[in-house]
Amino acid sequence: DGGITQSPKYLFRKEGQNVTLSCEQNLNHDAMYWYRQDPGQGLRLIYYSQIVNDFQKGDIAEGYSVSREKKESFPLTVTSAQKNPTAFYLCASSMAEPSYEQYFGPGTRLTVT
Amino acid sequence: GDSVTQMEGPVTLSEEAFLTINCTYTATGYPSLFWYVQYPGEGLQLLLKATKADDKGSNKGFEATYRKETTSFHLEKGSVQVSDSAVYFCALTTSGTYKYIFGTGTRLKVLA
Repeated sequence: DGGITQSPKYLFRKEGQNVTLSCEQNLNHDAMYWYRQDPGQGLRLIYYSQIVNDFQKGDIAEGYSVSREKKESFPLTVTSAQKNPTAFYLCASSMAEPSYEQYFGPGTRLTVT
Repeated sequence: GDSVTQMEGPVTLSEEAFLTINCTYTATGYPSLFWYVQYPGEGLQLLLKATKADDKGSNKGFEATYRKETTSFHLEKGSVQVSDSAVYFCALTTSGTYKYIFGTGTRLKVLA
């Protein structure tokens, strides 16, 4: 079955450590996205990528970094510069045509203490 | 810029009641419109979509009609079930951009 996988489901880190969240898709989608969701709030765009080796900052990119070396993979690194990293992180992908919907992964809940 | 406004929740209904969740939008281009559903601890799932004016999206008893004249895409269901309890997000995207704009979500609670 095609879909998006995110791992791990739960992640715990100490303050000051960088952490990388995995996102893989086998839908053959060109575009991939990372969102952050805080309790009771909507989605905020962190980074997106329309094509391999290219990505753009979203609305809250500070303290995050990404890479897009393969079409299937779009890992997100939460750096120690991110002031409030504890959140639910969602990865999504879509066809390279805006009328198409996004497909979402199951999410990773990151807790930093 | 483009935006989506949803009614605030939570919306609490009894089983078999009629559901309406309001969604209005502003967009500089000609947007495609979506409703997503999120169950606790999970990612978002597409519920339905509409890509042009007067289109009606439907799925699992849910419906929404793309109203260009009122810039609205209200979600409706004739008879809700306890299993419909979730958070519902209205979203749009416009041609020429790869960004999707989401509303803040509306939590629905259905009581048996």
